[in-house]
Amino acid sequence: EDQVTQSPEALRLQEGESSSLNCSYTVSGLRGLFWYRQDPGKGPEFLFTLYSAGEEKEKERLKATLTKKESFLHITAPKPEDSATYLCAVRGAQKLVFGQGTRLTINP
Amino acid sequence: SAVISQKPSRDICQRGTSLTIQCQVDSQVTMMFWYRQQPGQSLTLIATANQGSEATYESGFVIDKFPISRPNLTFSTLTVSNMSPEDSSIYLCSVVDGSTEAFFGQGTRLTVV
Repeated sequence: EDQVTQSPEALRLQEGESSSLNCSYTVSGLRGLFWYRQDPGKGPEFLFTLYSAGEEKEKERLKATLTKKESFLHITAPKPEDSATYLCAVRGAQKLVFGQGTRLTINP
Repeated sequence: SAVISQKPSRDICQRGTSLTIQCQVDSQVTMMFWYRQQPGQSLTLIATANQGSEATYESGFVIDKFPISRPNLTFSTLTVSNMSPEDSSIYLCSVVDGSTEAFFGQGTRLTVV
């Protein structure tokens, strides 16, 4: 069964303090690893798709990387507006399987 | 990416009643899905809405409780039937528009009292 585990559950940073979020996964035949951002009361917003180990993608202060067992979402010099829950998901043979998310808070 | 509109955005319902949630997409999409997100939890797939045929339900979800319609390639509904407080959740519509990325509506926040 496909599984996704995210850590930490919650992370509190000061503005400008860089860090990384982890997504560990097991899947039969990876067809994509996805990162989403979710603000309170809203649906997930698509950020990145990664398909193979070694792949990296960047968007503003965010960079996602992928290995055969895990993915990292690196956040560089975060701002308060980066505060949100970040969700990781994998697609195997069929459906998307989501992790529990990391609730990120950036204090000014 | 597809633009997804979900209605209602929120509702408070009495136990024993039913609520139908609508999902409208601004373009034809091959795959539409319905998810549930319970308070403080991640997303759980309820079913795949199939155009022109019965929905495909995940383990733990049944058609009598969550009937789904998909009359065309841009529209789907999810009904939450005979509601109880345990059904209080955010319900999300999702589409895959030809690539592998899934996009989500804004969700329907349901509270059952």
